[in-house]
Formats: sequence, structure tokens, C-alpha cells
Amino acid sequence: DARVTQTPRDKVTEMGQEVTMRCQPILGHNTVFWYRQTMMQGLELLAYFRNRAPLDDSGMPKDRFSAEMPDATLATLKIQPSEPRDSAVYFCASARGVGFPEAFFGQGTRLTVV
Amino acid sequence: GQQLNQSPQSMFIQEGEDVSMNCTSSSIFNTWLWYKQDPGEGPVLLIALYKAGELTSNGRLTAQFGITRKDSFLNISASIPSDVGIYFCANAGGTSYGKLTFGQGTILTVHP
Repeated sequence: DARVTQTPRDKVTEMGQEVTMRCQPILGHNTVFWYRQTMMQGLELLAYFRNRAPLDDSGMPKDRFSAEMPDATLATLKIQPSEPRDSAVYFCASARGVGFPEAFFGQGTRLTVV
Repeated sequence: GQQLNQSPQSMFIQEGEDVSMNCTSSSIFNTWLWYKQDPGEGPVLLIALYKAGELTSNGRLTAQFGITRKDSFLNISASIPSDVGIYFCANAGGTSYGKLTFGQGTILTVHP
């Protein structure tokens, strides 16, 4: 049963702490997306990778956010330092690649920064 | 950047009624996707459309890729309580193929 796996499902942290979210894309998918969902902004694209290389991270606050793909089976999104306004649900999604735009989502990480 | 205008923002209907929602854009696109999100879950792909004029069904769901390539419609027939959720349109822009942009979503509530 192929699926995108995200950890943790929930994270509560104090302002100023570092947060790392992890994503395991579907095996064989070479495109990985990070989205943030809030009531006000909906689903915002933060960054996306193809073949582990970042293609677009223009949606990501550069001063505190960073996204990487250490290998083809792991994508990470890090926030350092975290702020209350970062509270949201963060989704990872993966797709097969060019010519296959259908993205499949994980269950998300609900982040609360207090 | 590109924007997708999805309407209506919310709908309250009775079980058994048909539902229609749409998505428009100022730009031309190659693909339209429709997703549904249940509470506490990630969006799930319902239907994918690849050609202008294409009409595709998935059970009680039917979606169409507009002839102008700037819009798409999703219809749900004979709604049931489990249709409750948020429905999103999305597309892969022509200049950034593979980069999915989402509409703001339509929140559907179905009263038994």
C-alpha cells in the first residue's frame, strides 16, 4: 500500500525551538512538495524538489525555514527558530515526475508553537 | 503569481441533492486536478483532467476541463453524509510544469 509517510503527526513546541518534520515519499516518486495549510491562507506551496534538487523554494521564509532531501527516501523541513505564526498543518506530497502531475499527500504534521 | 478562484467557498445541502463547484484562472493550464480533504487528513486525489473539453467521472463525481483551458467544474450527484469535507481544485502551471497550485477550497456540509 504505497503512501506518503510524515512524522511526527503532531508537534507542540515553544517559541524559539527548532522543529524538524520528516517525509518519506512514495517509492519511485522523484518529485516532493512541502505545503503549509492555515485557515487564512489555504494550501501554500513552500518548496518542491525533483530528483532531490530544489526547484522552487520561493514560498518559504528563508531566514528560518530550510528544506532538504538527504536521500531519495527522505525529505525534511526544518524551522529554526520557530514562532507562533508558524503554527499550521504541514503537508508533504510526492509525484512521479514530469508528465505525471498527480500529487499524493501525507497525513500532515500539525505544528503548534506556543 | 497565478491564482485559482474557486467557488463557492462553502455549501450547505441536504442529503440527496446534487452539488456543483467550479474553479477559474486567468491563465491557461494543461492539467486540472480535484482533491477532497477529510478532517485531520491530507487531500486525496479524486479526478485528474488532461485535455480541454474532457469530461471524467469517478462514481458519483463528474469533472470537466473547460474548453478555454481556464476553468474546471466538479459535480457530485445524490450527495451523502460522507461527502462532507473540503474540495480543492489544483493545476500544474504551464510555465512550471509539475508545480501544483491549489484553489482556496469549497467546504461542503451535507445534512442528513
